[in-house]
Amino acid sequence: DIVMTQSPDSLAVSLGERATINCKSSQSLLYSSNNKNYLVWYQQKPGQPPKLLTSWASTRESGVPDRFSGSGSGADFTLTISSLQAEDVAVYYCQQYYNTPYTFGQGTKLEIK
Amino acid sequence: QITLKESGPTLVNPTQTLTLTCTVSGSSLSTYGVGVGWIRQPPGKALEWLAHIYWDDDQRYSPSLKSRLTITKDTSKNQVVLTMTNMDPVDTATYYCAHFLGGGNSAYVNYWGQGTLVTVSS
Repeated sequence: DIVMTQSPDSLAVSLGERATINCKSSQSLLYSSNNKNYLVWYQQKPGQPPKLLTSWASTRESGVPDRFSGSGSGADFTLTISSLQAEDVAVYYCQQYYNTPYTFGQGTKLEIK
Repeated sequence: QITLKESGPTLVNPTQTLTLTCTVSGSSLSTYGVGVGWIRQPPGKALEWLAHIYWDDDQRYSPSLKSRLTITKDTSKNQVVLTMTNMDPVDTATYYCAHFLGGGNSAYVNYWGQGTLVTVSS
């Protein structure tokens, strides 16, 4: 199984500041035939299901604010929130879909400092 | 707008079989590239993919749970059913129905149901 490891486990950032969450996979998620990275980021607020933020490592979903951006390739990925808003308090998960079994990171809890 | 709604028991006894139904609106289970499946989340813990089934009846299972899981779909009702046998207290979790895009071994969830909490206890 591909192991997904996120860092940090929790993060406190001031409103308006940048938040950065990292995700590392135990093997490359880059498929050479199409040059795509098979990684998504989800946001989960308390008592709610996860919400898809980005697919293919960096393709932001429709309706997701542009302060959210995904980057990285191969086995190292980052989710950046450029200017933290109060409504961004949540747990963030990365997940690989390069191969089954699909596996998730352990989650990063983002709070306001 | 795609919506998914889970239904099933909230409490099951140990060793019993769990049956969960997902009813999908806004997306046809016979559409190319569409899959529907299940992901669970124990209280306070991370997400775990269980299984999904594609438009062409191709099924994918978590290897660690494959012997206990069966996933089927009823295209006429736009429903997907998951059965999990021999339930144990460690299976206590919120079970989410999920709408997948992709095919083969590579698909991601673009829509989630609200989830249903299943408690395993006598």
